[in-house]
Amino acid sequence: QVQLQQWGAGLLKPSETLSLTCAVYGGSFSGYYWTWIRQPPGKGLEWIGEINHSGITYYNPSLKSRVTISLDTSKNQFSLKLSSLTAADTAVYYCAKLGYQYYMDVWGKGTTVTVSS
Amino acid sequence: QSALTQPASVSGSPGQSITISCTGTSSDVGNYDYVSWYQQHPGKAPKLMIYDVSNRPSGVSNRFSGSKSGNTASLTISGLQAEDEADYYCSSYTSSSTLVFGTGTKVTVL
Repeated sequence: QVQLQQWGAGLLKPSETLSLTCAVYGGSFSGYYWTWIRQPPGKGLEWIGEINHSGITYYNPSLKSRVTISLDTSKNQFSLKLSSLTAADTAVYYCAKLGYQYYMDVWGKGTTVTVSS
Repeated sequence: QSALTQPASVSGSPGQSITISCTGTSSDVGNYDYVSWYQQHPGKAPKLMIYDVSNRPSGVSNRFSGSKSGNTASLTISGLQAEDEADYYCSSYTSSSTLVFGTGTKVTVL
């Protein structure tokens, strides 16, 4: 059974770059899509982007200019970088495994990221 | 891409059935049978309840069912229970090869 463990800095300043990593345990890493989602305080879910086992990425158009998702197959990990942070990027960030690219069937516990000067 | 439209809140008494709608466009919900539904309790990660419009993952109660007509997908919870009180989100694949979530619905068990 696949499990996801995520980590990264929780407090950042405006203009800095967010960096989060998600490790995959207990299952195959290759052959799946991996994704990041965020949820601002008291608000709904927002899809950030995804990456497949070949490194092909798809991003939310509203974030595309600031987002990079990458993977490290040697460590069974994938990562998120979001640049030029503002307070609007304050959110809980989740990593997740995609089932056939269309639905999130395994989720990480979430990482709270606060952007404040 | 615009978020899919869901009612802000839906409520029902224990044992009743409720339905949550999720309205998109012909570029997402209307064109693909790739609608999924998620349940989220406060402070917890979302949980997959329905995928590919109407399929239930192993372990999800058969009180949860999904359907779709045109640009609108629906999640029905039958035999409502106190533990069903949570936020629910739909999601759809889009013609841009992206995913989009719904605005979210708070379900209250009266």
